[in-house]
Amino acid sequence: EDKVVQSPLSLVVHEGDTVTLNCSYEVTNFRSLLWYKQEKKAPTFLFMLTSSGIEKKSGRLSSILDKKELFSILNITATQTGDSAVYLCAAQGAQKLVFGQGTRLTINP
Amino acid sequence: DAGITQSPRYKITETGRQVTLMCHQTWSHSYMFWYRQDLGHGLRLIYYSAAADITDKGEVPDGYVVSRSKTENFPLTLESATRSQTSVYFCASRRGQETQYFGPGTRLLVL
Repeated sequence: EDKVVQSPLSLVVHEGDTVTLNCSYEVTNFRSLLWYKQEKKAPTFLFMLTSSGIEKKSGRLSSILDKKELFSILNITATQTGDSAVYLCAAQGAQKLVFGQGTRLTINP
Repeated sequence: DAGITQSPRYKITETGRQVTLMCHQTWSHSYMFWYRQDLGHGLRLIYYSAAADITDKGEVPDGYVVSRSKTENFPLTLESATRSQTSVYFCASRRGQETQYFGPGTRLLVL
């Protein structure tokens, strides 16, 4: 059965800290790994990763995929209170996205 | 560019009533999806569609019906609503293997 597991499920840090969110996956016919940020509304797209070892960056956020170990990480440096959200990882199979449970990140000022 | 829209955004109904949630996208994306999101369960796939007139079940299809007569629309019907179907429903779409985008969500309360 396809599955995506995220860790930790919850994380509380201080503003300015760096955080690393983890995502492991087992998905048949894997195509890509996506990260979304969800605040109190619909998930918004952050990254799509298809190749191993190539880091994608957007401002203070970066992500990388390891297709051998079936693993991805999302890094956020110099965190801000606006980074507080649930971060969702999803693995794309032949037809469907399989979502992890999400990591709830709280940034305290 | 309207993108992907859902209606209604909020709905209150009673147990046993039929409810239809609408999803419309303007991108001509081939794939469309319906998810529900509940505390403790994350996002769960209800149904998806790879193209007009092609639909398939997801993780939690029981109690739901979908149709896709036009590429841009993918309505989700709760045939006889139950309290356990109280949830936030998200529609999503994507083109081929590209990024999947979500609609704003419909918050449904079944009394």
